[in-house]
Amino acid sequence: QVQLVQSGAEVKKPGASVKVSCKASGYTFTTYGISWVRQAPGQGLEWMGWISAYIGNTKYAQKLQGRVTMTTDTSTSTAYMELRSLRSDDTAVYYCARDGGSGYDDSFDIWGQGTMVTVSS
Amino acid sequence: QSVLTQPPSVSGAPGQRVTISCTGSGSNIGARYDVHWYQQLPGTAPKLLIYGNNNRPSGVPDRFSGSKSGTSASLAITGLQAEDEADYYCQSYDSSLSGSVFGGGTKLTVL
Repeated sequence: QVQLVQSGAEVKKPGASVKVSCKASGYTFTTYGISWVRQAPGQGLEWMGWISAYIGNTKYAQKLQGRVTMTTDTSTSTAYMELRSLRSDDTAVYYCARDGGSGYDDSFDIWGQGTMVTVSS
Repeated sequence: QSVLTQPPSVSGAPGQRVTISCTGSGSNIGARYDVHWYQQLPGTAPKLLIYGNNNRPSGVPDRFSGSKSGTSASLAITGLQAEDEADYYCQSYDSSLSGSVFGGGTKLTVL
């Protein structure tokens, strides 16, 4: 079946980096895009950015520009999201989600299970 | 402060109809970008409920419907059931931000 499986929970110190993986299966990876969405404890959903799995071009949320990098490995159908210079307010559940690949108003039809990232000294 | 504005909470009795609004602006919903809706049950990942303003993915009951007009969109749920108690989010694209945006979310309580 079509699914996205994410890497496990992480605990990081302020200033460190984290890299979350998202392995796709059940569909042709390069036909779609992958968006990353995070949710702080008790808060709403926040779009972080998008990557085309086919071309590799990206769009990032303005508030994260310079701290986030999204990549893909088409040989393993895996997407990655790296966030640097972590702060306490980066503590959140991070989700990857499949989208139509246009980089515009696509819906997110398949979601990963989420990866909890805790930033604490 | 979310770019798309939703009421923080709505409620209704079983069997009733409720609507959740999503208000945007000329750079997102008003610019004719599609609106999508998600349902998030406690402790789980969001699930696509409505895509392209008014389309239901396979498996979503026809009790759920979406509409869009001008700079706003709405999600309607008829025949409320206890299992509908969840958080609901709208999502669209914003040309000023060059990225997707979500509403702040609405908690639905079934009385």
